[in-house]
Amino acid sequence: QKEVEQDPGPLSVPEGAIVSLNCTYSNSAFQYFMWYRQYSRKGPELLMYTYSSGNKEDGRFTAQVDKSSKYISLFIRDSQPSDSATYLCAMSATGGADGLTFGKGTHLIIQP
Amino acid sequence: EAGVAQSPRYKIIEKRQSVAFWCNPISGHATLYWYQQILGQGPKLLIQFQNNGVVDDSQLPKDRFSAERLKGVDSTLKIQPAKLEDSAVYLCASRSIRGRSETQYFGPGTRLLVL
Repeated sequence: QKEVEQDPGPLSVPEGAIVSLNCTYSNSAFQYFMWYRQYSRKGPELLMYTYSSGNKEDGRFTAQVDKSSKYISLFIRDSQPSDSATYLCAMSATGGADGLTFGKGTHLIIQP
Repeated sequence: EAGVAQSPRYKIIEKRQSVAFWCNPISGHATLYWYQQILGQGPKLLIQFQNNGVVDDSQLPKDRFSAERLKGVDSTLKIQPAKLEDSAVYLCASRSIRGRSETQYFGPGTRLLVL
């Protein structure tokens, strides 16, 4: 079993749809949870950062963490074609001071 | 503020050859990471430096991979000899120990193809 599992696989939705991306993890030491966005041929860029359980909202993006279930989610509202990218969940026990543990990524396509 | 710089952007070599990648982190960032991202997977940490010292190299295949950060600024990752399974994107990231310390900033990566 991998330390971090990410769902769904490749995803294609129409513009304006609500997108839900999810990760589950097995290491209870993880306290810090991140979502990175990676455009083709680019490095990942930090999109959302949360500590412990709870919700965080930033514009059209909402990150949720449920540590009791070892489950995190990213929601994208009013999705735009410019949101088309690979989304990677990442986790850390020490807030990013150590190396991050990533999920495999979800390739998202928003159809105009 | 300039981002993390990496070179070369692309490299094609034959198996058993050697290759080196270079990274220049964001100015003032003390922590530097090298990740390997195989196609269809998330990045995997290879090595972490704090200034010029190694913090974590537990996932670095030390029989063929080496890395250094001699002056605590830029870094070089080397593979010798390369294997087919080393084909991947090698990402360098850096982090400041001040301010928003949780953010790792990634470079564009070096795409390696081993034939």
